[in-house]
Amino acid sequence: ELKVEQNPLFLSMQEGKNYTIYCNYSTTSDRLYWYRQDPGKSLESLFVLLSNGAVKQEGRLMASLDTKARLSTLHITAAVHDLSATYFCAVDIQYGNKLVFGAGTILRVKS
Amino acid sequence: DAGVIQSPRHEVTEMGQEVTLRCKPISGHDYLFWYRQTMMRGLELLIYFNNNVPIDDSGMPEDRFSAKMPNASFSTLKIQPSEPRDSAVYFCASSLTYWETQYFGPGTRLLVL
Repeated sequence: ELKVEQNPLFLSMQEGKNYTIYCNYSTTSDRLYWYRQDPGKSLESLFVLLSNGAVKQEGRLMASLDTKARLSTLHITAAVHDLSATYFCAVDIQYGNKLVFGAGTILRVKS
Repeated sequence: DAGVIQSPRHEVTEMGQEVTLRCKPISGHDYLFWYRQTMMRGLELLIYFNNNVPIDDSGMPEDRFSAKMPNASFSTLKIQPSEPRDSAVYFCASSLTYWETQYFGPGTRLLVL
């Protein structure tokens, strides 16, 4: 059974600081997705990583994928309060976009 | 495009009643997914369709749950009879291809008393 593990599950950080969220998965896959969810809201797509070594950046967020290590990272640079949300990684385990989600990382950026 | 549309946004019902959730995917998207989100179990894929055909329903909890997609612009998820443990947020999502990102609807918050 595929396991997708995120850590940390909760992250409280000061504005201006850098941090990384990790997503480990237990089976072979070369497609990984990052989503953001604000409290009480839906999921918003952040990044689609489709190959080993893929790196995507948008604003203060950068995501990467190492399929050999079965690891993806979401790096936050100089955090701001607006980044406070829950971040999910999701791994495609089947040809056909069947996603298994991690438990999510709750990020709180303190002013 | 208006994005994925779900209705109702909130539903409160009593145990034993039938519940029908509705979803309109983004026009042109070939894939449609139904998810359930709870605090205890997180986000779980229930079923997904490709070109209106159910491909994988292994996530459907039990026979009380059924889903249909009669055409490319409409899908339903039905729970009959509903139970308190079905209380959750149900999301519908759609994607253009199997490798592109899934776009999520606003969700339906279901409370079964």
